[in-house]
Amino acid sequence: EVQLVESGGGLMQPGGSLRLSCEVSGFTVSRSYMNWVRQTPGRGLEWVSIIYSTGNTYYADTVKGRFTISRDNYKNILYLDMFNLRADDTALYYCARYCSTSECYGSFDYWGQGTLVTVSS
Amino acid sequence: DIQMTQSPSSLSAFVGERVTISCRASQNIDSYLNWYQQTSGKAPKLLIYGASSLVDGVPSRFSGSGSGTDFTLTISSLQPEDFATYYCQQSHKMMGFTFGQGTKLEI
Repeated sequence: EVQLVESGGGLMQPGGSLRLSCEVSGFTVSRSYMNWVRQTPGRGLEWVSIIYSTGNTYYADTVKGRFTISRDNYKNILYLDMFNLRADDTALYYCARYCSTSECYGSFDYWGQGTLVTVSS
Repeated sequence: DIQMTQSPSSLSAFVGERVTISCRASQNIDSYLNWYQQTSGKAPKLLIYGASSLVDGVPSRFSGSGSGTDFTLTISSLQPEDFATYYCQQSHKMMGFTFGQGTKLEI
């Protein structure tokens, strides 16, 4: 059974740092394309970052230079390191797998339950 | 970025009714359009990928159509468990996936 379980969220002050984790079971993170997606009531669902199976990484402009996506191939865990946090980073953060076979049309087929990050002074 | 615009933003309907939700892309995305269902407190769940392919296990009352810039999600006969928020997503541009703002389907 596939499971993605996020953790690491919490209340942070502006300018602070935080590491989110996504523990995966049922498939291999290093062979997958993995994403972070965040959700707020005001902005809806917003794609944040992707790491390819090759290790290449890409980011939304809103987080580029402040967030880093990575993975631990042995532990099968996806990470999101968040630096210089701002109030508008407040969101529920999901990890999600990008289905990389051509038949999937790049859909996100598995999602975690989310972890809440609140940035406030 | 490719902008995705859904309409309506909310919709009231009855059990048994047929409903249609529209999604428009700001540029051609071929069939790289996916639909997700989100119920309260849960993560989005993939319903339809490639504009019209139903995920295994999703009831056949759900269907998707369209290509290019205009897409539609149809629920042929609403069931109580279908009342949720629906999102479209374009996956044509990999480093800039974007979602529609959502359509809340209410009783």
